[in-house]
Amino acid sequence: DAGITQSPRHKVTETGTPVTLRCHQTENHRYMYWYRQDPGHGLRLIHYSYGVKDTDKGEVSDGYSVSRSKTEDFLLTLESATSSQTSVYFCAISVAGKALVSTGELFFGEGSRLTVL
Amino acid sequence: AQSVAQPEDQVNVAEGNPLTVKCTYSVSGNPYLFWYVQYPNRGLQFLLKYITGDNLVKGSYGFEAEFNKSQTSFHLKKPSALVSDSALYFCAVRDDAYSGAGSYQLTFGKGTKLSVIP
Repeated sequence: DAGITQSPRHKVTETGTPVTLRCHQTENHRYMYWYRQDPGHGLRLIHYSYGVKDTDKGEVSDGYSVSRSKTEDFLLTLESATSSQTSVYFCAISVAGKALVSTGELFFGEGSRLTVL
Repeated sequence: AQSVAQPEDQVNVAEGNPLTVKCTYSVSGNPYLFWYVQYPNRGLQFLLKYITGDNLVKGSYGFEAEFNKSQTSFHLKKPSALVSDSALYFCAVRDDAYSGAGSYQLTFGKGTKLSVIP
């Protein structure tokens, strides 16, 4: 158990409203990621973070922003939700190896199911 | 750019029979390959990885994977399937490019649904 908690686990919202998903980890890992999972697409990387205030874009970052003001929290924000953002969102962490280089092995949270009406 | 293909959306196998879930990959450098499993309404769980060394990699829950460089494949296998193995399986490859600050990214396949029939 990598100590990852996502909240909320389920959310229904309307088009145009802002939404923030939270990922909290308890083990001080440096690398954190947000993915979305959609049928037929597998998992696609939205944004990732390699430290406090250090973030970068992934494959499908349009319409999303992130913030990491503390090591333990990584927030994903949809400024104005659209129906195409209906998805299951997963937070993940990566354990840094001896050389502080991510091995690529990820540990995932339980997911946040977002429905945008 | 790297890519992963899982050619089967679904695999059905009888309990007790051997199972294989297929994965092929494309990378420009040395491949770093992973298998993950997802049970219903849960996050993905790491099963095993290939970095270097033996072509047969052993992982969790009795799973193993065979790396074949000439065929660019990394198939997941288990000698005797259990009903509890029914889940969604994802193959992933680590990206070729170093993303900076010590991070690499994973590219995932679209997933294969494994159903083990009692």
